[in-house]
Amino acid sequence: DAKTTQPPSMDCAEGRAANLPCNHSTISGNEYVYWYRQIHSQGPQYIIHGLKNNETNEMASLIITEDRKSSTLILPHATLRDTAVYYCIVRPGGSNYKLTFGKGTLLTVNP
Amino acid sequence: DGGITQSPKYLFRKEGQNVTLSCEQNLNHDAMYWYRQDPGQGLRLIYYSQIVNDFQKGDIAEGYSVSREKKESFPLTVTSAQKNPTAFYLCASSTPGHLGDGYTFGSGTRLTVV
Repeated sequence: DAKTTQPPSMDCAEGRAANLPCNHSTISGNEYVYWYRQIHSQGPQYIIHGLKNNETNEMASLIITEDRKSSTLILPHATLRDTAVYYCIVRPGGSNYKLTFGKGTLLTVNP
Repeated sequence: DGGITQSPKYLFRKEGQNVTLSCEQNLNHDAMYWYRQDPGQGLRLIYYSQIVNDFQKGDIAEGYSVSREKKESFPLTVTSAQKNPTAFYLCASSTPGHLGDGYTFGSGTRLTVV
């Protein structure tokens, strides 16, 4: 599986957009980008995933660069409850492939 | 509502004792997983099972054992052979086509060995 690089921590003001970057320069053509988040002492929560097109759901937007070597998770209006560790993961599509979680980015939303 | 239930939330055991962590899902998911998380670290895969009566070792299986006798259940036993069992344990499940073949996680069990 391709490795990912994320900043260890970021801050964001409440109500502003939070933009979380992820580099995955060795991503393969069949690998998807997944984002999960983990609020303290809870299990990780699925946010969004994509292959090459930008994706949006009720939680966030995922912007993948045209060369697919990096992506950005956007929380459009961050709230205090969005404070969590955000994990960017790449892996081939298909349920036979395991998800590998790195250390992620600790996003702190400040009032 | 469908989901994954891990119990108990907190567990204390004496050193040298085996302990079994429960994981039950009513999502009708085919695959189930166990991860371990240490403070400030990512998740490390212990065991996973893609179908009933079959399971594979993950990256850190030593000192752990599992069974998958029912689709809904995937208990994890932390044996006395596990040198540093104090950690946060997470169970997950997945099935093709759900969340992009991604995982649904339980709320975790925090094991403390004294």
